[in-house]
Amino acid sequence: NAGVMQNPRHLVRRRGQEARLRCSPMKGHSHVYWYRQLPEEGLKFMVYLQKENIIDESGMPKERFSAEFPKEGPSILRIQQVVRGDSAAYFCASSPGSNRVTEAFFGQGTRLTVV
Amino acid sequence: AQSVTQPDIHITVSEGASLELRCNYSYGATPYLFWYVQSPGQGLQLLLKYFSGDTLVQGIKGFEAEFKRSQSSFNLRKPSVHWSDAAEYFCAVGAREYGNKLVFGAGTILRVKS
Repeated sequence: NAGVMQNPRHLVRRRGQEARLRCSPMKGHSHVYWYRQLPEEGLKFMVYLQKENIIDESGMPKERFSAEFPKEGPSILRIQQVVRGDSAAYFCASSPGSNRVTEAFFGQGTRLTVV
Repeated sequence: AQSVTQPDIHITVSEGASLELRCNYSYGATPYLFWYVQSPGQGLQLLLKYFSGDTLVQGIKGFEAEFKRSQSSFNLRKPSVHWSDAAEYFCAVGAREYGNKLVFGAGTILRVKS
């Protein structure tokens, strides 16, 4: 059973370009969470998605950032017109999804560098 | 607002010595508590979790943690540290009322000296 798969592992973008980060949850998991880790900081929650639904986007910046989790395919975190401050590690986690709390399984992360 | 505090940014211990990493939380709901470990450039690995029941929980790699509701703490311990334990450790809190999203502490970097 493969774990949470994120790609690419490393991504370099110039200022003003778009960054697309992909996350394939563990098999059987229907809930996906995105977190951002800035240098020397802990992880900050960004968005929580179920298939075709955004459940909680309270941690998403209001502009340039969007996320989706389509019926088929991976979850995508999209950052438009990237700026240097977007340089960070972006982690995806998945869980089976139910009314009870379960542990989340994390991917290896995508390290975005904006130059 | 929910918050997690890890008071120690860096800790250095000698190999073979005991270890305790502190974690305090402020949460408006029944908390579920986690400790994760992260090696440089890697993802997060779950060490242990507390959902309910026995307040002393055992995890992988010889780690344990104790939930103390009266102190709002969930400190991580290990009786004898190995050099391979050098990494960054994150305490995290979740709750069903908040949709299972996690609030993380800022992390504690553990250095092990031989």
